[in-house]
Amino acid sequence: DAMVIQNPRYQVTQFGKPVTLSCSQTLNHNVMYWYQQKSSQAPKLLFHYYDKDFNNEADTPDNFQSRRPNTSFCFLDIRSPGLGDAAMYLCATSTGQGADTQYFGPGTRLTVL
Amino acid sequence: AQSVTQLDSHVSVSEGTPVLLRCNYSSSYSPSLFWYVQHPNKGLQLLLKYTSAATLVKGINGFEAEFKKSETSFHLTKPSAHMSDAAEYFCVVSDRTFGNEKLTFGTGTRLTIIP
Repeated sequence: DAMVIQNPRYQVTQFGKPVTLSCSQTLNHNVMYWYQQKSSQAPKLLFHYYDKDFNNEADTPDNFQSRRPNTSFCFLDIRSPGLGDAAMYLCATSTGQGADTQYFGPGTRLTVL
Repeated sequence: AQSVTQLDSHVSVSEGTPVLLRCNYSSSYSPSLFWYVQHPNKGLQLLLKYTSAATLVKGINGFEAEFKKSETSFHLTKPSAHMSDAAEYFCVVSDRTFGNEKLTFGTGTRLTIIP
């Protein structure tokens, strides 16, 4: 089945130690999104790629970076994780066309010690 | 600008009774509206979406929602709740003025099913 895959599902890192989260898709969608979701809150968009064009949300901290080396893969890099960065990170994809649906992966739960 | 208001942060119903999760939206344009469900420690799953076709939208697992432009509402219903329906539900509006879909989420409604 076509899908959005996130690895790992659970990630533990130490305060200040860089971490990379991975997302891949078999849907061949043009757009890939990264969301941060803290406990009991709605997902918050960090940034998205339309093909290779990167779009950062205005309030996304500089500590968060992203790479999309090809259509299928997208990475979220947290350069120096703080305790406040502990959250669920969700990847989503869409075709980028009108009236579109975003398809979400299962998420990566990040713990910062 | 667009926004979504989910009127109840928490809804509890008994198994086998109807479910109603309320959502009001605000949008400058003809909106796309979605309901997503999230089970604990899982990603978001699309339940249904409205995109200016039929105003009554049927989704998965027996859920449906009715788009009412005059009331700016998109309430989610199910005739008979099942234990597996216990989850967080998000009402979402899409701003189609962007070249790619940017979603605005409601704050979520936690649905609890009482055995």
